[in-house]
Amino acid sequence: QLQLQESGPGLVKPSETLSLTCTVSGGSISSSSYYWGWIRQPPGKGLEWIGSIYYSGSTYYNPSLKSRVTISVDTSKNQFSLKLSSVTAADTAVYYCARHEKWEPPDYWGQGTLVTVSS
Amino acid sequence: QSVLTQPPSASGTPGQRVTISCSGSSSNIGSNYVYWYQQLPGTAPKLLIYRNNQRPSGVPDRFSGSKSGTSASLAISGLRSEDEADYYCAAWDDSLKVFGGGTKLTVL
Repeated sequence: QLQLQESGPGLVKPSETLSLTCTVSGGSISSSSYYWGWIRQPPGKGLEWIGSIYYSGSTYYNPSLKSRVTISVDTSKNQFSLKLSSVTAADTAVYYCARHEKWEPPDYWGQGTLVTVSS
Repeated sequence: QSVLTQPPSASGTPGQRVTISCSGSSSNIGSNYVYWYQQLPGTAPKLLIYRNNQRPSGVPDRFSGSKSGTSASLAISGLRSEDEADYYCAAWDDSLKVFGGGTKLTVL
């Protein structure tokens, strides 16, 4: 059974960079069928797609976040990562990693991790 | 701002059938598959319906999905108290505004 697990700091200071890693188990991140994405959900609000990456390193990002987002992949560790720079309180959210096929929403999700931006 | 429009709330009594709508456009629902998720408080979204009307293993057949043109709907029959949750539709859109705003379902 495929499992995704987010990890990283739960508290980030304003203006700093948020960094999270998603570890994939029960399947290979190098599968040619899937992309790997990051999605977030501010407290009490809806879901927002941040961006996705293919095992080859090809990425696409939400235009509203593109200037601050970097997603990378480490196939040797079966992991992919998110970096979001210059964070503000508006970036406080539960961050999910997920698997999806090209041009389709996710079928597998991680459990999510709450990241709070505060000094 | 979501490009997929859902009613913010819906309700029903136990045993009843309820439907949740999701309205989009030719750039999302009209040309791509629709997915539906159930989110219980404090948990990750759970896949209920994929590719318009397919149920993953383990999802009761009380849940069904349909799509017509640029709209889709989720139907829940035989409503149960444990169905009280937030429900999200999703469909690919090149803007990456993939998810609807969510519908809070209350079981009265």
